[in-house]
Amino acid sequence: AQSVTQLGSHVSVSEGALVLLRCNYSSSVPPYLFWYVQYPNQGLQLLLKYTSAATLVKGINGFEAEFKKSETSFHLTKPSAHMSDAAEYFCAVSTSGGSYIPTFGRGTSLIVHP
Amino acid sequence: DAGITQSPRYKITETGRQVTLMCHQTWSHSYMFWYRQDLGHGLRLIYYSAAADITDKGEVPDGYVVSRSKTENFPLTLESATRSQTSVYFCASSVGQGWYEQYFGPGTRLTVT
Repeated sequence: AQSVTQLGSHVSVSEGALVLLRCNYSSSVPPYLFWYVQYPNQGLQLLLKYTSAATLVKGINGFEAEFKKSETSFHLTKPSAHMSDAAEYFCAVSTSGGSYIPTFGRGTSLIVHP
Repeated sequence: DAGITQSPRYKITETGRQVTLMCHQTWSHSYMFWYRQDLGHGLRLIYYSAAADITDKGEVPDGYVVSRSKTENFPLTLESATRSQTSVYFCASSVGQGWYEQYFGPGTRLTVT
């Protein structure tokens, strides 16, 4: 079985501050991990993904995430938040235990204050 | 236009009516998915398809029917709509399983009155 937990349904930061969105996964087999972003009234789009090639993954718009097997985590970070980063962020996991069909977390809404 | 499209974008229907949501992709991706998005629940998988004529249930399939006679189309039918099916529905496609990312449509906002 596979599952994803996103800690915090809402995260609020000031413009220019560090962004940290948390994602923990549960899987007994090696996972593929994804972060997606959803802007208001739009579908999801891929930010970055972990495919076992490198534990630190860089994505679009200055975001990056680090895979930590010992902590079963894949947290998303950005050094300096921008107003345009305000959106809903989803973490997803895909494993052989789930027939490689992705399971999504409940999402974290990022609020950026000026 | 290339990509993944959904129609209609907005739909209001009455309880008990049948409604079909359409999804079309131009990439010839093998996999297609239907999700519903509800506040507090994130994205929940309804059905998915690995290829034409191959479909399988997801987490919340009850009350929904899918078909996939052509690779590019994956319609979702609510046979007898209920208020609990009021939601935003997203279609997605991907090249394959595992590390392949999903490409999402713009969504259909369905209200059942």
